[in-house]
Amino acid sequence: KNQVEQSPQSLIILEGKNCTLQCNYTVSPFSNLRWYKQDTGRGPVSLTIMTFSENTKSNGRYTATLDADTKQSSLHITASQLSDSASYICVVTSSGGGADGLTFGKGTHLIIQP
Amino acid sequence: SQTIHQWPATLVQPVGSPLSLECTVEGTSNPNLYWYRQAAGRGLQLLFYSVGIGQISSEVPQNLSASRPQDRQFILSSKKLLLSDSGFYLCAWSAGQGRYNEQFFGPGTRLTVL
Repeated sequence: KNQVEQSPQSLIILEGKNCTLQCNYTVSPFSNLRWYKQDTGRGPVSLTIMTFSENTKSNGRYTATLDADTKQSSLHITASQLSDSASYICVVTSSGGGADGLTFGKGTHLIIQP
Repeated sequence: SQTIHQWPATLVQPVGSPLSLECTVEGTSNPNLYWYRQAAGRGLQLLFYSVGIGQISSEVPQNLSASRPQDRQFILSSKKLLLSDSGFYLCAWSAGQGRYNEQFFGPGTRLTVL
């Protein structure tokens, strides 16, 4: 069964600090992995997408990494800002069919404190 | 540019009442359309997806139904709401041939069934 596990479930850090969110998956066959940011009460917005051959992808202060061998991904946020407070969702796409090919993690709820 | 609209933004309905949530997409043709539900503390659950007018696939058995009367219109309905139908409903669209392209989410509808 395809699964995506995210950790930690929630995280509180001070403004200006860095943090790293983790995503482990057991999706096969793997196609790509995306990180979404979801502000409270809003729809998710894509931050990065990585395919099998990509190890790292940056989007401003967000840097995602992918280790396809260990089936792990991380999202690193540098110099956090209050606006980074949100849920971050890891989504893995399978190229082998299934319901819609997408398996969603439950997300990490990040709170940035001033 | 493409935009996706959902309404209403919030809805409070009594148990047993009907439901109709609407989603429309602008700026693209023949999009793939999706309905998701996000319960508190849980991940996104795919409810329905559609690859064309009148073509609806259901992912989980439930009290809800979906219809696509026009190319860029997707409607989520219920004849009689249950308490368990409460949640945050998200509509999304994607382009391309398959169902594995990036999905763009709408602003969501918060449904509370009392």
